Amino acid sequence: GENVEQHPSTLSVQEGDSAVIKCTYSDSASNYFPWYKQELGKRPQLIIDIRSNVGEKKDQRIAVTLNKTAKHFSLHITETQPEDSAVYFCAARLYGNKLVFGAGTILRVKS
Amino acid sequence: GAGVSQSPSNKVTEKGKDVELRCDPISGHTALYWYRQRLGQGLEFLIYFQGNSAPDKSGLPSDRFSAERTGESVSTLTIQRTQQEDSAVYLCASSLAQNYGYTFGSGTRLTVV
Repeated sequence: GENVEQHPSTLSVQEGDSAVIKCTYSDSASNYFPWYKQELGKRPQLIIDIRSNVGEKKDQRIAVTLNKTAKHFSLHITETQPEDSAVYFCAARLYGNKLVFGAGTILRVKS
Repeated sequence: GAGVSQSPSNKVTEKGKDVELRCDPISGHTALYWYRQRLGQGLEFLIYFQGNSAPDKSGLPSDRFSAERTGESVSTLTIQRTQQEDSAVYLCASSLAQNYGYTFGSGTRLTVV
């Protein structure tokens, strides 16, 4: 079955620096890759997503890149702010609309 | 409704008892999903409903777990003879169709004592 590996498990950055989280997937048929942000005690919320016919997508300070050949995709956050501190999950879609999630990355932005 | 609604928000139950968790998806969303999140861990797929198709039950961890959904409305996840390892947050999500992202509910925090 599909497997999604996510690195690093924890990431500390200084406010204003950039943060990068990377994920790899195993099933070459996967065609949709969302990223979710989960603040402590709250529900996961979709922050950005990318489909397999696109190599990069940007939304203000957040961008996602996809390398289909290497089967990996990355989340880039620029000019980090304390409110970016949360757990971030990547996911890959299999058949139908079932998402397989990575294990998560705890991002801490130090002010 | 405006979002995915789950109830109860918290449930404490004794080991061996049955529990029923409810999810009310966004109106018009044909797909509904249940995930489990243990403390400090990722999201573990349990079951997926798409319209009137047979559900994908491949993530249910044992036969103590079952779920139902009538049409495109409310879903219930039932855990029979609960065990301590069932303690987790159970998250429900819905999506408009097969090619859309998920909207998650706030979850039900289940504690088995």
